[in-house]
Amino acid sequence: EAGVTQSPTHLIKTRGQQVTLRCSPISGHTSVYWYQQALGLGLQFLLWYDEGEERNRGNFPPRFSGRQFPNYSSELNVNALELEDSALYLCASSLDRGQSNYGYTFGSGTRLTVV
Amino acid sequence: KNEVEQSPQNLTAQEGEFITINCSYSVGISALHWLQQHPGGGIVSLFMLSSGKKKHGRLIATINIQEKHSSLHITASHPRDSAVYICAVSRTRTSGSRLTFGEGTQLTVNP
Repeated sequence: EAGVTQSPTHLIKTRGQQVTLRCSPISGHTSVYWYQQALGLGLQFLLWYDEGEERNRGNFPPRFSGRQFPNYSSELNVNALELEDSALYLCASSLDRGQSNYGYTFGSGTRLTVV
Repeated sequence: KNEVEQSPQNLTAQEGEFITINCSYSVGISALHWLQQHPGGGIVSLFMLSSGKKKHGRLIATINIQEKHSSLHITASHPRDSAVYICAVSRTRTSGSRLTFGEGTQLTVNP
């Protein structure tokens, strides 16, 4: 069974640009979570999508957005990039359908560097 | 004060030693997760607990719901166990399985 796949693995962007990160969940998983891990900081929750809808978002500005497609894959978009957006962005999928008691599978992440 | 606290932040051990990493949380949870992150950044889910104890190979995880405390034990530690170990909790149904993380414990096992 294929795991959670993220693309690209690495990315360098200039301040002010826009970026799109992609995530394909494990087959059958309907929930996709996005997390940010900035250098020297812990993991922070960004967004939760389930069944195509945004269900919850973390304490991030509106320039962080995303969507989930009918096949449950997901995109994370970041507009007007700032230097502090440099981080590892991790996607995880779950079968939880909002039940909050299901296991997780993480992708390997996209490392974004903003210069 | 963070909702999820881990200790120690850093831990160095000799190969073969028994290791314990502790996690305390201050909120109601539906499950507690132990995760492993290697230097490349990828995260592996080790355990998900809502009560009692789980064992997988040399790894054991326990949770005490009343005391809001969990421990991760590694028996007969090996250099390949060197990684960051992260405790995380999932909370209410409205949050789905959204996780709140501890700061992580950097474990180094020397040969």
